[in-house]
Amino acid sequence: AQSVAQPEDQVNVAEGNPLTVKCTYSVSGNPYLFWYVQYPNRGLQFLLKYITGDNLVKGSYGFEAEFNKSQTSFHLKKPSALVSDSALYFCAVSPTSGTYKYIFGTGTRLKVLA
Amino acid sequence: EAQVTQNPRYLITVTGKKLTVTCSQNMNHEYMSWYRQDPGLGLRQIYYSMNVEVTDKGDVPEGYKVSRKEKRNFPLILESPSPNQTSLYFCASSSDTNTGELFFGEGSRLTVL
Repeated sequence: AQSVAQPEDQVNVAEGNPLTVKCTYSVSGNPYLFWYVQYPNRGLQFLLKYITGDNLVKGSYGFEAEFNKSQTSFHLKKPSALVSDSALYFCAVSPTSGTYKYIFGTGTRLKVLA
Repeated sequence: EAQVTQNPRYLITVTGKKLTVTCSQNMNHEYMSWYRQDPGLGLRQIYYSMNVEVTDKGDVPEGYKVSRKEKRNFPLILESPSPNQTSLYFCASSSDTNTGELFFGEGSRLTVL
């Protein structure tokens, strides 16, 4: 079965430190990969996506993500965390063929400590 | 302003009382979708629509219906709600079915007693 895994329910990081939120996927073919962020009582907002090309993708609010095909991973990163980055982060996969169903991970809560 | 609008944002109802959650987008997107968000389960797709009059089941369609009579609207219908449908619901739209990012509404929190 196709799936997306976010192995950490919560990630804590000190303000100013680099952060990583992990995502791995099990999808046939070469899927498209996305990261979304959800602030309290809000809908999800798009951060960045990987379609093709450079494995390092840059997105909104200083976030970036690294696509690793051999490890089927798409980890979200930021060089210097801000308290305002505290939110719920979702990794998502869109298969390139067969269906039009986005598959979401279970989410990782990021807490940046002042 | 580009947006996806859901109504109602909050609703408490009782088992068996039919309800509709409306969703409207003003971006002329062809693709629309409904998700439910539950703790520990992330977002699960209920139904999606590729265009007007074209809909298909997602991963958890049981107990739900949808229709797409106009491009901008994609209502979610619960014919006979049950307590296990208590959840946070999101509507989303996209300009491209696979490569385009999803634009989400603000969510509708539904409680079925």
